Amino acid sequence: AQSVSQHNHHVILSEAASLELGCNYSYGGTVNLFWYVQYPGQHLQLLLKYFSGDPLVKGIKGFEAEFIKSKFSFNLRKPSVQWSDTAEYFCAVRDTGNQFYFGTGTSLTVIP
Amino acid sequence: DSGVTQTPKHLITATGQRVTLRCSPRSGDLSVYWYQQSLDQGLQFLIQYYNGEERAKGNILERFSAQQFPDLHSELNLSSLELGDSALYFCASSVGDNWGVNTEAFFGQGTRLTVV
Repeated sequence: AQSVSQHNHHVILSEAASLELGCNYSYGGTVNLFWYVQYPGQHLQLLLKYFSGDPLVKGIKGFEAEFIKSKFSFNLRKPSVQWSDTAEYFCAVRDTGNQFYFGTGTSLTVIP
Repeated sequence: DSGVTQTPKHLITATGQRVTLRCSPRSGDLSVYWYQQSLDQGLQFLIQYYNGEERAKGNILERFSAQQFPDLHSELNLSSLELGDSALYFCASSVGDNWGVNTEAFFGQGTRLTVV
């Protein structure tokens, strides 16, 4: 089974700062990759996804992520965060068994 | 709105009791996943069903069980409840079991279970 590691458990940034959240998965092979966001009190919503093709994917709200196959990584980035980005962020991997594996999440707090 | 419906939204019950959580997947989705989210353990995969059949098990306790019915809705049964079972329980669905279909998981709003 896959394991997904998110290196940052809690990140605190000021508005307009740049964001990068790390995500690594445990082994290669064909995978789909996702970032989900959970706003306070809400369910998980898809932020962006990678299935194939261009390893740089763009999602909603100005987020993007880069798939680096050689590093088993799928880091999430945003050039300038806003207070409304305060949320929990989850990286996920879907394997060929149609299983979704989630990281433990990174809590992002953006200070106005 | 993800199209995944979970009921009830909140549940408060006493230790030792049994509860049933219900999930209706998105129209057309055959796979249903159950997850438990607690503060200390993050998002834990419990179990997956595909078209009525159990497909994968994660960290699901023996006191917990689930099933998926012919109409594809799913129920998660939690029995002999303990204080530590208090958590947010999410259901997710995806379109199927075929790797050839690119798909993400769609999550419901969750059921917040409080055991007192």
